[in-house]
Amino acid sequence: GQQLNQSPQSMFIQEGEDVSMNCTSSSIFNTWLWYKQEPGEGPVLLIALYKAGELTSNGRLTAQFGITRKDSFLNISASIPSDVGIYFCAGQQGSNYQLIWGAGTKLIIKP
Amino acid sequence: DAGITQSPRHKVTETGTPVTLRCHQTENHRYMYWYRQDPGHGLRLIHYSYGVKDTDKGEVSDGYSVSRSKTEDFLLTLESATSSQTSVYFCAISDPGATSTDTQYFGPGTRLTVL
Repeated sequence: GQQLNQSPQSMFIQEGEDVSMNCTSSSIFNTWLWYKQEPGEGPVLLIALYKAGELTSNGRLTAQFGITRKDSFLNISASIPSDVGIYFCAGQQGSNYQLIWGAGTKLIIKP
Repeated sequence: DAGITQSPRHKVTETGTPVTLRCHQTENHRYMYWYRQDPGHGLRLIHYSYGVKDTDKGEVSDGYSVSRSKTEDFLLTLESATSSQTSVYFCAISDPGATSTDTQYFGPGTRLTVL
């Protein structure tokens, strides 16, 4: 099935560093969503983007809806240990309410 | 947190046995979904429901069936479990008619092991 291209697959970072991840597709999307999943739990919505070019923040997290509508970026500033987890992007196309998911970016903070 | 519960949370079963997983919501959301999550594949949609008795297939529906007899419950059945169905199963709900977008909220997951 169709998936979004999410990168990087995993990241090892030092506490305090900024983090950047992205999702790309050859198709146009109407909505981009970013989720975080912690071990043993279901994904939790972080940020939702509804318009091309939109830039939205949630605390230290900032996400952008690409101007071409084919990509989205998530940045985390000054990472802390509780940022550890898997981050997923998901997109919606047309009037189809189903979401298309990226494979996830696993964030690991070096001790 | 959205009011979504899944039961059981963990299950070990043998190949060939039937298994039913239950998702229960208290949000009165119209849409409900079943996903499986496997390493390297992210979330893959098995089936979804857009109302009572209204269901449709996702990308990995083979070997699974679903039923929704009331708004709050969505059941996923493996008629004859196979080892390839060992996975973590997530239920999700959404109410896209309210916002025209599909912001999905997830349950805590069920870890299923088929021996």
